[in-house]
Amino acid sequence: KNQVEQSPQSLIILEGKNCTLQCNYTVSPFSNLRWYKQDTGRGPVSLTIMTFSENTKSNGRYTATLDADTKQSSLHITASQLSDSASYICVVSDRGSTLGRLYFGRGTQLTVWP
Amino acid sequence: EADIYQTPRYLVIGTGKKITLECSQTMGHDKMYWYQQDPGMELHLIHYSYGVNSTEKGDLSSESTVSRIRTEHFPLTLESARPSHTSQYLCASSDGKAAPSHNEQFFGPGTRLTVL
Repeated sequence: KNQVEQSPQSLIILEGKNCTLQCNYTVSPFSNLRWYKQDTGRGPVSLTIMTFSENTKSNGRYTATLDADTKQSSLHITASQLSDSASYICVVSDRGSTLGRLYFGRGTQLTVWP
Repeated sequence: EADIYQTPRYLVIGTGKKITLECSQTMGHDKMYWYQQDPGMELHLIHYSYGVNSTEKGDLSSESTVSRIRTEHFPLTLESARPSHTSQYLCASSDGKAAPSHNEQFFGPGTRLTVL
């Protein structure tokens, strides 16, 4: 069964600190992995995308890593800001369908305190 | 910011009412999707469309229906709303011509539906 598991479920950090979010998946055949940021009451917005051959991708203070052998990914946030408070969702796409079906994790709810 | 819009953003209605959630995109995307999301839970695909006159049911069974008469418009209808339909509904679209490995789905802001 294709699944995406994220940890921790929730995280509270102080402004300026770094944090790392984890994602494990069993989706096969693998196409790509995205990290999305979803603010409360809004739709998800893509932060990074990685294909099988990529093991790291940065977008400003966000750095994602991918280990396709162990089927694990992480999202590292550097020097956190209050605006980073959101749900971070790991999304894996398979290449076994023309739809490009997405498999969503439940997200990590990050809260940044001043 | 993606050019995909949903209205209304919030809707509170009584049981038995018929409702239509609107979704429009101005990116000319062929593929469109409807997801249902409950608090703290993952998004579940309930409907999708490959293009005009194409509609398919997703992974999660839903009593809602959709139509795709125009490329840019993908409304979702509930004929008789019930409290179990209370949820957030997210619309998304993607460029069907992009390579599958980079086929990004762009999401609208969502509609928060509450059925009393």
